[in-house]
Amino acid sequence: NAGVMQNPRHLVRRRGQEARLRCSPMKGHSHVYWYRQLPEEGLKFMVYLQKENIIDESGMPKERFSAEFPKEGPSILRIQQVVRGDSAAYFCASHRAQGDEKLFFGSGTQLSVL
Amino acid sequence: KQEVTQIPAALSVPEGENLVLNCSFTDSAIYNLQWFRQDPGKGLTSLLLIQSSQREQTSGRLNASLDKSSGRSTLYIAASQPGDSATYLCAVATGANNLFFGTGTRLTVIP
Repeated sequence: NAGVMQNPRHLVRRRGQEARLRCSPMKGHSHVYWYRQLPEEGLKFMVYLQKENIIDESGMPKERFSAEFPKEGPSILRIQQVVRGDSAAYFCASHRAQGDEKLFFGSGTQLSVL
Repeated sequence: KQEVTQIPAALSVPEGENLVLNCSFTDSAIYNLQWFRQDPGKGLTSLLLIQSSQREQTSGRLNASLDKSSGRSTLYIAASQPGDSATYLCAVATGANNLFFGTGTRLTVIP
């Protein structure tokens, strides 16, 4: 049973480009979270999704950021028109079901905006 | 808004020592508290999860305590080993789907 898989591990974009970060949760997990970790800061919650539904996006910037978790395929975090301040490590986590709170994290995607 | 603080930010100990990492949070209305380990360039590994109704959890050489009324948790590591070197993160859940993380304590165990 593979863990939470994130790709790419490293992503370099120039200002104004789009960044797409992918996350495949653990097998059998239908709940996905995205977190952002800035240098010297703690992880900050961005969005919580279940299959085909956004449950809580209170931590997501209102503009340029979007997330989805389709019925088939990985969860995608999309950042449009990236800026230098978007440079961070983006982590995905999953758990099995409501009430099963133990989170399993992926290794993260390090986004660098030039 | 929940704020989570971890002190110290960094800690170095010789191998074999017992040590305590501290975590404090501002809002005692929590759902649960988790301790994670993060190795450089890697994701987080959940170590211990304490439900709000519990006072402690143990796993091997690790013991985590929770005092909701004072807004504190400690992670006790017995007989530390070089392989314990990592950043330890405390995270507080205020609901079923939102964790607030501290900035971590970077532990170095010197052989």
